[in-house]
Amino acid sequence: EVQLVQSGAEVKKPGESLRISCKGSGYWFASYWIGWVRQMPGKGLEWMAIMYPDDSEARYSPSFQGHVTISADNSISTAYLQWSSLKASDTAMYYCATVRYTWSGIDFWGQGTLVTVSS
Amino acid sequence: QSVLTQPPSVSGAPGQRVTISCAGSDSYIGPDYDVHWYQQLPGTAPKLLIYDNINRPSGVPDRFSGSKSGTSASLAITGLQPEDEADYYCQSYDSSLSGWVFGGGTKLTVL
Repeated sequence: EVQLVQSGAEVKKPGESLRISCKGSGYWFASYWIGWVRQMPGKGLEWMAIMYPDDSEARYSPSFQGHVTISADNSISTAYLQWSSLKASDTAMYYCATVRYTWSGIDFWGQGTLVTVSS
Repeated sequence: QSVLTQPPSVSGAPGQRVTISCAGSDSYIGPDYDVHWYQQLPGTAPKLLIYDNINRPSGVPDRFSGSKSGTSASLAITGLQPEDEADYYCQSYDSSLSGWVFGGGTKLTVL
C-alpha cells in the first residue's frame, strides 16, 4: 500500500528557517515524481515544486522559485521542502503527492503539514 | 489567479445532477494534456476522483463522470448526496513549466 506520511505541524516566526518532510512507503520512491502543493487558509490548491528523486531533477513554479527548495533522500525514502526565511504569508497547509509520470493524475497524497508563521 | 477557470460555487438538491466546468487554453487543456479531478472534503487531503479526463479510480462511484472537449473539461455528479458536499478541483499539466496547474476550485453545496 502506497503511503506518504508528512511531518507534524509547525509554528515559526518570520525570518526563521524550516524544513518539512514527506516519507514514502509501499512503492519504489526514487522512480516516482514527488511534488508539493500549498493550500492557504480558505483557498485553493497551488503547485509549488516537483522532483524526480532518482536523478534529483527539480522543477519549480515561478510563484515559488527562489523561496523554497525541494530535495530528497532516497536512502530513507523521504522528500523535503525547505524555507530559509519564512514570511507570514507562508502560513498554509502543505501537501506532498507522488505520481509515476508528471502528467498523471495524483492518486497518492500525504496528510498535510500545517505551517503557521506568526510573530 | 488560477490558469484553469472553475466556477466558485455550484449547488443542487439531493438526487439532482450538477456539472462543474474547467476552462483552460491550448497550453493547459488541449489534445496532448489530460484533465484530472479531485474532491476535497473539509479538513482532508484532496482525493483523485477522475483521471485522464474520463476514468474513475477504483472505489469512486459511477455517479461521478468526466468529459473533455477542446480546451475545456467538465465534471458531472448525478444523484447528488449530502456527502458530496466538498470542494472540487480540476488539474492538468503545464508543459512550459513542466509542472502541475490547478483550477481555483468549486464549492459544491447540497441543498
